[in-house]
Amino acid sequence: EPEVTQTPSHQVTQMGQEVILRCVPISNHLYFYWYRQILGQKVEFLVSFYNNEISEKSEIFDDQFSVERPDGSNFTLKIRSTKLEDSAMYFCASSNIGRPETQYFGPGTRLLVL
Amino acid sequence: GDSVTQMEGPVTLSEEAFLTINCTYTATGYPSLFWYVQYPGEGLQLLLKATKADDKGSNKGFEATYRKETTSFHLEKGSVQVSDSAVYFCALTSNRDDKIIFGKGTRLHILP
Repeated sequence: EPEVTQTPSHQVTQMGQEVILRCVPISNHLYFYWYRQILGQKVEFLVSFYNNEISEKSEIFDDQFSVERPDGSNFTLKIRSTKLEDSAMYFCASSNIGRPETQYFGPGTRLLVL
Repeated sequence: GDSVTQMEGPVTLSEEAFLTINCTYTATGYPSLFWYVQYPGEGLQLLLKATKADDKGSNKGFEATYRKETTSFHLEKGSVQVSDSAVYFCALTSNRDDKIIFGKGTRLHILP
């Protein structure tokens, strides 16, 4: 069965450093998403991406965040200057038709900012 | 704004016990409601859904009924198995966009 993959599974970084989280969506999917879950809190929507542009973003997704689909297979989330409060589990999802129940999620990347 | 509240975990049960994980929501309009499950090392998977009041979603022995009068969508299973050990997330979508609003998740441990 096709699946969304994410790399790395765990990342530790120093405050102020840039990180890039990578996702490989399911190959025929056109809609891409990032969510995050700070430990003990809710899974929160960050951003949705379609047709090479952001279609929606949350208040969390400020100027330090960016997303990109640099080639036909990867979808990345860049955090330009990490803060302690960016420590969280980051989930990527993809969908073929954009309906919520059709979103397939990856296993997540656990980011720890020291 | 729209939100989901689910019971705190972890929940620990013996095999074959009855499971209930409570979930309530706040939303304007007529949201769709979902339960997702995350097994260790895997992504969130859609477990079941209900799109309108009084609908019952079911899958793998799990059920949940969309109760508009109590704004609830409690997850139930009559007889849990060790393999049901996972984190369960209640969620909703507003039908205005395609973002999913999740609860915090409830970790379930089933003891043999």
